[in-house]
Amino acid sequence: DGGITQSPKYLFRKEGQNVTLSCEQNLNHDAMYWYRQDPGQGLRLIYYSQIVNDFQKGDIAEGYSVSREKKESFPLTVTSAQKNPTAFYLCASSIRTDGDEQYFGPGTRLTVT
Amino acid sequence: QKEVEQNSGPLSVPEGAIASLNCTYSDRGSQSFFWYRQYSGKSPELIMFIYSNGDKEDGRFTAQLNKASQYVSLLIRDSQPSDSATYLCAVRSNYQLIWGAGTKLIIKP
Repeated sequence: DGGITQSPKYLFRKEGQNVTLSCEQNLNHDAMYWYRQDPGQGLRLIYYSQIVNDFQKGDIAEGYSVSREKKESFPLTVTSAQKNPTAFYLCASSIRTDGDEQYFGPGTRLTVT
Repeated sequence: QKEVEQNSGPLSVPEGAIASLNCTYSDRGSQSFFWYRQYSGKSPELIMFIYSNGDKEDGRFTAQLNKASQYVSLLIRDSQPSDSATYLCAVRSNYQLIWGAGTKLIIKP
């Protein structure tokens, strides 16, 4: 069964702690993306990667970090420098590297208190 | 600042009627346009994409694009209660999708 998996579904952390969100795909897609979604707002791009060992900052990269050591995996670390980390985090992938036709994983809902 | 605008709704439509969802965008150079459906608490699901001016039909869904007016719409025919969701419009600009905040659609039985 091909798809994109994100884990965990729900994550709770205390302020000041770093946390890593997992994103794995077995679709053989080249491009992967991380977004955050806040209530009543559109998705905002955090980071994206078009090829292994390379990634680009999106509009709201501050306080986040990523790695792309394998084609299948694109983990996101939310650091303590992120001012408002509580959000719904969505990972997407695409066979295309131009940004088109992105497919999403189920998401991780992060709550930081 | 590149923007995608959608009416937040909610848009209430009787079951069996046509639901019409609209989206405008600011980047005149945009070439690719997408509609995603998002159920409450779930991730977005790609339902339609369109690249050329005119209409594109897929089952009960029709996407319409007018690049001169910078306007893209989604029509849902024979609306069903299961169509109740938030519909997100996304427009590609360079290598990124720019997202609208979504329109909440409610289909009343």
